[in-house]
Amino acid sequence: AQSVSQHNHHVILSEAASLELGCNYSYGGTVNLFWYVQYPGQHLQLLLKYFSVDPLDKGIKGFEAEFIKSKFSFNLRKPSVQWSDTAEYFCAVNAQGNNRLAFGKGNQVVVIP
Amino acid sequence: DGGITQSPKYLFRKEGQNVTLSCEQNLNHDAMYWYRQDPGQGLRLIYYSQIVNDFQKGDIAEGYSVSREKKESFPLTVTSAQKNPTAFYLCASSRDSSSTDTQYFGPGTRLTVL
Repeated sequence: AQSVSQHNHHVILSEAASLELGCNYSYGGTVNLFWYVQYPGQHLQLLLKYFSVDPLDKGIKGFEAEFIKSKFSFNLRKPSVQWSDTAEYFCAVNAQGNNRLAFGKGNQVVVIP
Repeated sequence: DGGITQSPKYLFRKEGQNVTLSCEQNLNHDAMYWYRQDPGQGLRLIYYSQIVNDFQKGDIAEGYSVSREKKESFPLTVTSAQKNPTAFYLCASSRDSSSTDTQYFGPGTRLTVL
């Protein structure tokens, strides 16, 4: 079974600072990778996704994620955060052909105006 | 207005009572899921259903039961056998059981067992 690790559970930063959230997964086969976001008071929703078989959209709301297969990592980045980026961010992974998602424990990000 | 609804938003029950959480979707999705979210623990899969009249256990199914009699509905019962039922429960659905499909989440139900 896959497992997902997210580091630095709580992140506090000022507006305009750069954000990077780490995500590592344990699975040697072909995977699909997702970042979900939960803004305060809103539903958990997809932020971006990456399919290692067929790369699809990445880069929504200024976010992008880098997939490094050799490091089993899928880190999320945003060069300049805004107060509205305050949210909890979850990395999720599934094996190609298996729709069961494994989620990381999440990163609580607080952006101070 | 399409989406996933979960009711109620907050639910309180006495220890030892079974309780059923509702999840309805009008997205015409085949697959539905139940997750449990605890602080600092992320989301853990309880049960999932690929299609009507079919469901499988997830990672933490003990003490829970589900049914999938209709495509749009996937209720979760938290039984008295669940040792630590107080949590935030999230329902999700996806168009089909493809591993590349986006899962869409409901607003959640916060269950507190007194």
